[in-house]
Amino acid sequence: DVKVTQSSRYLVKRTGEKVFLECVQDMDHENMFWYRQDPGLGLRLIYFSYDVKMKEKGDIPEGYSVSREKKERFSLILESASTNQTSMYLCASSFLDRGRETQYFGPGTRLLVL
Amino acid sequence: AQSVTQPDIHITVSEGASLELRCNYSYGATPYLFWYVQSPGQGLQLLLKYFSGDTLVQGIKGFEAEFKRSQSSFNLRKPSVHWSDAAEYFCAVVRGSTLGRLYFGRGTQLTVWP
Repeated sequence: DVKVTQSSRYLVKRTGEKVFLECVQDMDHENMFWYRQDPGLGLRLIYFSYDVKMKEKGDIPEGYSVSREKKERFSLILESASTNQTSMYLCASSFLDRGRETQYFGPGTRLLVL
Repeated sequence: AQSVTQPDIHITVSEGASLELRCNYSYGATPYLFWYVQSPGQGLQLLLKYFSGDTLVQGIKGFEAEFKRSQSSFNLRKPSVHWSDAAEYFCAVVRGSTLGRLYFGRGTQLTVWP
């Protein structure tokens, strides 16, 4: 089974703090993703990575950065957390099989910024 | 632009009743289609997916979905709902050649009455 883990289930931070959200997958997937999920807005793609040290902006990258130094690990960084970044953050990984991709999700990190 | 519509925000059914959750997409060519389920406070679990071939696909937990090109729909069904099926259900679509662009519907919250 695909296993995607996220370092924290719940996190409370203060405005202005630097926040790291970690995601690890154990299936040697090339691609990894960060989404945020908000009531009424659904899931929105923040960033994704298709290879080590490679990254692409998603639909809402402002206020976030990412790091992928190793294939299995993809970090989301909030350089200076703000209250409007309070959300549920979901990591996913995938691989391409004959051009077909399926994304598998982690359990999520619920972040509260005070 | 692609979009995914789940017209029902909330559905309530009795345990043992049949279930159909609706999903419509807008995209010219045949997309790749997915249904995910999310229990409270959890990540997304893949229920089933459609890439090509047989338009009726079977998934986990007794769910199935049917792709209807003429209606641009991919509705999820279950013949007999169990109380443990109470969760939020998301339909998602990706254009086959576009890595990472998994577009989600807003979700349908399912309540199951005993």
